[in-house]
Amino acid sequence: DQQVKQNSPSLSVQEGRISILNCDYTNSMFDYFLWYKKYPAEGPTFLISISSIKDKNEDGRFTVFLNKSAKHLSLHIVPSQPGDSAVYFCAASLRGNKLVFGAGTILRVKS
Amino acid sequence: GEEVAQTPKHLVRGEGQKAKLYCAPIKGHSYVFWYQQVLKNEFKFLISFQNENVFDETGMPKERFSAKCLPNSPCSLEIQATKLEDSAVYFCASSPGTDGSPLHFGNGTRLTVT
Repeated sequence: DQQVKQNSPSLSVQEGRISILNCDYTNSMFDYFLWYKKYPAEGPTFLISISSIKDKNEDGRFTVFLNKSAKHLSLHIVPSQPGDSAVYFCAASLRGNKLVFGAGTILRVKS
Repeated sequence: GEEVAQTPKHLVRGEGQKAKLYCAPIKGHSYVFWYQQVLKNEFKFLISFQNENVFDETGMPKERFSAKCLPNSPCSLEIQATKLEDSAVYFCASSPGTDGSPLHFGNGTRLTVT
C-alpha cells in the first residue's frame, strides 16, 4: 500500500527556469509533509516542510504548496540551478512519527 | 555532534553471517530512526527509538533483525544470519521531537551480502 506517490521518475529543466515536483498521498491523517534532496552516496537532506493546516510555505528559492482536498503537494524551485540536480523525495508523517517516503523524482537541471 | 554519524560506510558479509551497523545521533536529539533503502527505491521504515526505548517497531522484520539505543553508546542495528535480500543501504536519522521536526539523516551504511 503506497501511501505517498511520486508519479514522475524524472524531470529535466533548463537552468533559470522553474522546476515543479509533484507528490500525491492517500492518508488524510498525515500532519506534516516534507521534501528531501538526495545526492548519490549521501543521506537525504531536509529541504522544506509544511504542516497540514497550511497551504503554502516558502524558503528562498523553494516553495511547497499543499492541496488537501486533492491530497496533492508540489515543490517549486525557482530559479533552478545546476546544483539542484539530485533525487527529490516527498515524505509525510503521522502524528510527527516516522516518515513515509515516495519513490523519488530525479531532477536534472541543464546549463 | 552536529551530524548523524553512521559506521561503517560499507559492510560485506557472507550469507549467514552477522552484520552490525552503528549510528550516533545528533547530540540532543531524543529520537532515532532506522530506514532500509533497497536498490535506490523507497525508504522502508524499520524502527524508531525515543532515547533508549523502542518507540515504533512496526517495520522491523520479526526474525533476524534487532536494534538498540543504550545510554552513552551509539545506537545499533544487528542482522543475524544475513540473507541476500538484506543487501541494501541502511540509513539512520535523528530528530529532537515528534512535533513535525525534520529527520536528519546520516550517509548510510551499504550492506552487501554475498
